[in-house]
Amino acid sequence: AQSVTQLDSQVPVFEEAPVELRCNYSSSVSVYLFWYVQYPNQGLQLLLKYLSGSTLVKGINGFEAEFNKSQTSFHLRKPSVHISDTAEYFCAANSGYSTLTFGKGTMLLVSP
Amino acid sequence: DGGITQSPKYLFRKEGQNVTLSCEQNLNHDAMYWYRQDPGQGLRLIYYSQIVNDFQKGDIAEGYSVSREKKESFPLTVTSAQKNPTAFYLCASSSREGLAGELFFGEGSRLTVL
Repeated sequence: AQSVTQLDSQVPVFEEAPVELRCNYSSSVSVYLFWYVQYPNQGLQLLLKYLSGSTLVKGINGFEAEFNKSQTSFHLRKPSVHISDTAEYFCAANSGYSTLTFGKGTMLLVSP
Repeated sequence: DGGITQSPKYLFRKEGQNVTLSCEQNLNHDAMYWYRQDPGQGLRLIYYSQIVNDFQKGDIAEGYSVSREKKESFPLTVTSAQKNPTAFYLCASSSREGLAGELFFGEGSRLTVL
């Protein structure tokens, strides 16, 4: 079964600073990778996904992620964060016809 | 607008009572899912269904039951056998299970057992 590890439970950052949220997955022949965002007391919204092709994936709200097969990583980045980016971020993966497996989430806290 | 509707948004129940959470989608998706979310635990899969009248247990199915009588609906019953039911419950759907299966989520239902 696929496993997903988000290395940081909480990441504090100042507004307009860059941020990286880390995600590692267990190796598989084929893997599909996702980042979701959750605002308080709401459902999850897809930020971006990697299915195949270019290893650099661009998503909504200025976020991007890079698929690194040799390091089994899919880290999420944004060059300059806003207060409104404060939310919880979930990395998820599946392979073949398995259900989606989620990491435990990283809380991004953006302060002025 | 197409989407997933969960109700109720907040629910309180006494110990020993069963409670049913509603999930309806108008996205014409085949697959539907129920996840449980606890602080610091991420999302854990309770049950999922790929087609009407069929469903499979997820990682934490004990104390829960589901039905899938219609494509649009996938209600979850939290039974009195669930030892720690207080949590945030999320329903999701996808056009097909597994491969490249992007999930679309409802707004969630927060259950509190008093």
